[in-house]
Formats: sequence, structure tokens, C-alpha cells
Amino acid sequence: ETGVTQTPRHLVMGMTNKKSLKCEQHLGHNAMYWYKQSAKKPLELMFVYSLEERVENNSVPSRFSPECPNSSHLFLHLHTLQPEDSALYLCASSQVWTSENIQYFGAGTRLSVL
Amino acid sequence: GQQVMQIPQYQHVQEGEDFTTYCNSSTTLSNIQWYKQRPGGHPVFLIQLVKSGEVKKQKRLTFQFGEAKKNSSLHITATQTTDVGTYFCAGLQNTGNQFYFGTGTSLTVIP
Repeated sequence: ETGVTQTPRHLVMGMTNKKSLKCEQHLGHNAMYWYKQSAKKPLELMFVYSLEERVENNSVPSRFSPECPNSSHLFLHLHTLQPEDSALYLCASSQVWTSENIQYFGAGTRLSVL
Repeated sequence: GQQVMQIPQYQHVQEGEDFTTYCNSSTTLSNIQWYKQRPGGHPVFLIQLVKSGEVKKQKRLTFQFGEAKKNSSLHITATQTTDVGTYFCAGLQNTGNQFYFGTGTSLTVIP
């Protein structure tokens, strides 16, 4: 248990569905992240929230919409996804602006888009 | 933009052999971290290096940060089957507060 909880662990959705991924951190961190990990590809940073404000959006398609209502919760809203969006979606948190800016990852949500 | 590359991408070793993965950044880094991801798992923090030329050891693992702070390496002595997984480096730029993950090295240990 890393202190970062992601739900659901597995998700299968059609291209017309709307779903949301949830992430919760119990570490008191001030930054949260969404990463996409596809087979045989490096970790791709999607979104960064620092102090609840989005500070980075690495040109992610608009069918992915993040939401960070407070420092402990992070959502990724999904709509009209494509099969190539099937991947492991990892949430992480860290304490930025400190010497211990270590990323703690959740177990991930394995997403399959049919 | 910031790029962090790792070589090799894949490595198969016989149990007991040594293993090294190399991490190279296109820009000077403030510090570098290493993570390990077991098959089916998520990345887990191993260590952080901050100083130029720094060397740290964790049992059979030796981590090194280059003098120019643009490269790093992870060396495992006498690999065991428990070392199986993907090893990622993550570099923090001098001008930012965001770590950039390397492409990862997948290690397979043959018993």
C-alpha cells in the first residue's frame, strides 16, 4: 500500500461511453499526476496538478479531462475514447518544492477500449 | 524539449550475472531518481541522487550520477530472480519542478 488509491482497477468501455477514473492520496502531498503507460512505451505524463492548479498538459486529446477538486483527490474523465487509448493509467502524488519530491504511484487502472 | 533516454531497452541475463542500465539526459539535471516496476505492478521509488559524481549503494544495487549531471547508471551485482522488472530513471530539470521519466530498461533474469 503506497498511500495512493486508484479505482477502478480494471475498466472496459465502448468508444461512446463516458467513465471516470478516481485517485485518492493519503500522504498529504501537494501535487498529483496522471500518467499513461502503454505496452512497450515509456511512461507518458498527461497532467500535473500542483496546489490544485493544473500546471502541465502535455498536449493530451480533449477526450481526456482531468479534475482536481482538492489536494487529495484527482479524477480523469473519459469520453469517446479510441481503441489506442487502451493502456494502464497511473496516478501519482508527490510533495513538490522540497528535497523529497518523490512520486508515489497508485496501482493503476487497466483500461480497455472496445 | 526535455528527453531522458535509457539503454538498453531490454536485457536478459543469467541469474548471478551483473546488469547495468544507463540513463542519459539532453539537458543538465538538478537531481535524478530511480524507480522499479515489477511485472503487473506500478513504479516504486528506489533512490535519489543529487550531487555531481554521487554514488549510492543499496545492497547489490549501485547508483551513480555523472559529473556533468546529465547521465546516471544503475548496476546490479549478481542478479537474482527477484530483480526482474523494469527500471526507470527520472530526471528533474534545473529550471522546473517536474520529473521526466526515462524510457525504461526491462530486465529478465533466467534462473
